[in-house]
Amino acid sequence: ETGVTQTPRHLVMGMTNKKSLKCEQHLGHNAMYWYKQSAKKPLELMFVYSLEERVENNSVPSRFSPECPNSSHLFLHLHTLQPEDSALYLCASSQEAGGPGWDTQYFGPGTRLTVL
Amino acid sequence: AQSVAQPEDQVNVAEGNPLTVKCTYSVSGNPYLFWYVQYPNRGLQFLLKYITGDNLVKGSYGFEAEFNKSQTSFHLKKPSALVSDSALYFCAVRDRAYSGAGSYQLTFGKGTKLSVIP
Repeated sequence: ETGVTQTPRHLVMGMTNKKSLKCEQHLGHNAMYWYKQSAKKPLELMFVYSLEERVENNSVPSRFSPECPNSSHLFLHLHTLQPEDSALYLCASSQEAGGPGWDTQYFGPGTRLTVL
Repeated sequence: AQSVAQPEDQVNVAEGNPLTVKCTYSVSGNPYLFWYVQYPNRGLQFLLKYITGDNLVKGSYGFEAEFNKSQTSFHLKKPSALVSDSALYFCAVRDRAYSGAGSYQLTFGKGTKLSVIP
């Protein structure tokens, strides 16, 4: 899984902490995604960046703040989270819409987040 | 709106037997369809996709899927299951009619846990 990497792999944080999740893709893609995976629920798309601009924000609470400084890196800044935010957070990348093979997303291994 | 249903939470199959993991979809236009697999403590791995053309799509690790437009289904199949196929399988759909931000909106099913019994 060297295509899309995520750090840290596991994170435990209190409700008042501030932390950040990092994603890096080595596939030359121009679009990057954050998903939330909770037990027995479908993957929830949180944010999409294409060519470093946010193109999708699916009504995500403001305690989650994404940042895409360049096409290879994506961050998810976390602040004042709730226990129900505990989940696996997955990063993915693809070509931008219309690019070759753009329809296929490639995923990282995820960050297992536990909010106490 | 687009949606995906995976009617089985779990599928059990004996090693060496054929396996099927079911998926049905709903889109207003024509679909792009995908299967992904997730092993424990790992991200999703792309298995195969249907974009256009032949209704039978072949993918990684001997898996294949058949697109059936009349039944709006895209079932995943393998002729002979291996213990190493045990994992969580996700079907996903995107409506071809979407453009702009919608182009990136992939809708996933809840997943089906496949257990291959030795």
